[in-house]
Amino acid sequence: RKEVEQDPGPFNVPEGATVAFNCTYSNSASQSFFWYRQDCRKEPKLLMSVYSSGNEDGRFTAQLNRASQYISLLIRDSKLSDSATYLCVVIPYTGGFKTIFGAGTRLFVKA
Amino acid sequence: NAGVTQTPKFQVLKTGQSMTLQCAQDMNHEYMSWYRQDPGMGLRLIHYSVGAGITDQGEVPNGYNVSRSTTEDFPLRLLSAAPSQTSVYFCASSSSGGPGTEAFFGQGTRLTVV
Repeated sequence: RKEVEQDPGPFNVPEGATVAFNCTYSNSASQSFFWYRQDCRKEPKLLMSVYSSGNEDGRFTAQLNRASQYISLLIRDSKLSDSATYLCVVIPYTGGFKTIFGAGTRLFVKA
Repeated sequence: NAGVTQTPKFQVLKTGQSMTLQCAQDMNHEYMSWYRQDPGMGLRLIHYSVGAGITDQGEVPNGYNVSRSTTEDFPLRLLSAAPSQTSVYFCASSSSGGPGTEAFFGQGTRLTVV
């Protein structure tokens, strides 16, 4: 089993739609969680951190469920510019610095 | 504001050749790492460093060497290139590498081994 697993996608949605991505992780002691965004042929960039209480940044909402070991990302009112690959990232509490990336979920927003 | 700079952006190698991928950061970050990204596999950690003079292996270290003589630079060496090393390589840095730390990536090196 992979340490971090994501919905495979791709997700094809119309502009204005709400779309949700899920990500599960296997290490129950994992410390930190993030969503990164990667545009086609570009480097990943931090979209948002994920906190235990859940957090929101404009149209984006991230949730963490430690009991079920999953995190989610909700995008409301999708824009064409949201088309990208969304990477789930987990930093396990191993005492080291290992960062685990999911394989990513591709999102296409169409007009 | 350069951030993380990788060179070259593109490279074609013949099987058996060696080369070095360069990575430099100007943010005084202690933690630096190299990843490779393959379709459907996500980013996989090759090697990382928690400071000058300290390196360690990641998930897929075979065929690669690293060194960290300065805080700024973290080169990745391919010892004898193989077609299986065809991939996109990303260098990243962060202030501590620990929980809660954002990673900043270079623009990537697209390597093809023929």
